[in-house]
Amino acid sequence: ETGVTQTPRHLVMGMTNKKSLKCEQHLGHNAMYWYKQSAKKPLELMFVYSLEERVENNSVPSRFSPECPNSSHLFLHLHTLQPEDSALYLCASSPASPLEPDTQYFGPGTRLTVL
Amino acid sequence: DQQVKQNSPSLSVQEGRISILNCDYTNSMFDYFLWYKKYPAEGPTFLISISSIKDKNEDGRFTVFLNKSAKHLSLHIVPSQPGDSAVYFCAARVSYNTDKLIFGTGTRLQVFP
Repeated sequence: ETGVTQTPRHLVMGMTNKKSLKCEQHLGHNAMYWYKQSAKKPLELMFVYSLEERVENNSVPSRFSPECPNSSHLFLHLHTLQPEDSALYLCASSPASPLEPDTQYFGPGTRLTVL
Repeated sequence: DQQVKQNSPSLSVQEGRISILNCDYTNSMFDYFLWYKKYPAEGPTFLISISSIKDKNEDGRFTVFLNKSAKHLSLHIVPSQPGDSAVYFCAARVSYNTDKLIFGTGTRLQVFP
């Protein structure tokens, strides 16, 4: 399988549940990202990992907890979410190399609904 | 404060005509701009980019124009095709912070026969 994959594609959870989103990239990239896309709002960067180290946390509430066990995998652990957290969560990766174009490759996203 | 703005939420164009999608930005430190295209149920895919040292970049049917003095860029698609129907996102970054892209809200383009 190639590119950036995300599972699950759809998730419905209650406010007291704990769930995790998974992202995997097969591109040999060094950087991975979590974005949130809410209706009628810009795509919001949540977290950036470069070489498995978190380099950016964009003021995201602690109920979102990222994990990057290796350069190919990225998780977003969710607990005690709010209905307003319902959105499309997109994972992306990029080469993060000065020798390559600085473009990000996105997964298909996980559509999250919090009841 | 939204640093990258796409003021037209939607655009409808006839097949074969030119589509022009606009994007404005407020941060004068942005020096690299990208356009992404997004189909339903898929993630955004990179389309074309431009560095601030240029004012035009062309790739096949797609051309991006940058007007730094106006802090404005546009994406031209000519000729437009029905397969171009998608949401188009403008994004920008500051060169010293290559990891962080700031996205606009997107413009939905519909190309009809």
